[in-house]
Amino acid sequence: DIVMTQSPDSLAVSLGERATINCKSSSSNDNYLAWYQQKPGQPPRLLIYWASTRESGVPDRFSGSGSGTDFTLTISSLQAEDVAVYYCQQYYNTPWTFGQGTKVEIK
Amino acid sequence: QVQLVQSGGEVKKPGSSVKVSCKASGGTFTSYGISWVRQAPGQGLEWMGGIIPMFDTAKYAEKFQGRITLTADESTSTAYMELSSLRSEDTAVYYCARDALYCTTISCSDSYYFDYWGQGTLVTVSS
Repeated sequence: DIVMTQSPDSLAVSLGERATINCKSSSSNDNYLAWYQQKPGQPPRLLIYWASTRESGVPDRFSGSGSGTDFTLTISSLQAEDVAVYYCQQYYNTPWTFGQGTKVEIK
Repeated sequence: QVQLVQSGGEVKKPGSSVKVSCKASGGTFTSYGISWVRQAPGQGLEWMGGIIPMFDTAKYAEKFQGRITLTADESTSTAYMELSSLRSEDTAVYYCARDALYCTTISCSDSYYFDYWGQGTLVTVSS
């Protein structure tokens, strides 16, 4: 199975500042990578797919980059509503696998 | 607007089975896939398997092989996940999610990310 490892496990960022989450794959995914946001008590929400394509309706402060084994989700200017856990997911090989999650909080 | 509505929470005894439903509306049910993802309390996301109703084909994560059965009823646009031989470690919220792939009668794209999610069904396994 492809193992997805996110870093850091949690981060605290001031409002308006940049938040960066990394996702590393144990083998190449090409660009078969998605990012999700999950708030407490809610299902995940798709943010980014194909590593860098923003889902319709997602604010443009969210961006994705990377290919191969190293990927990044960036929130350019953190807003209060961005407090959540973020997951990466590879869909290159079954079983589709997720990172362990990164919790984003306000500093 | 695509919506996935799941059945209600369940409490099950160890060794029993549970069947969760996921009714889709607002889209073409047979043209997409439906995956099942679970989340144990306080834990991350785990893909269990997926089904493509148009071809009635299912893929399962090896971890669940032999215990999981995915089915789909095109007439009611409903997908089902049945998990047997339940143990306490199966206590989790179970989500259905639509695979973003698109299928024609010949083949499907490879967009196996999840663009719509159900609200989740809590399954509690306890004696």
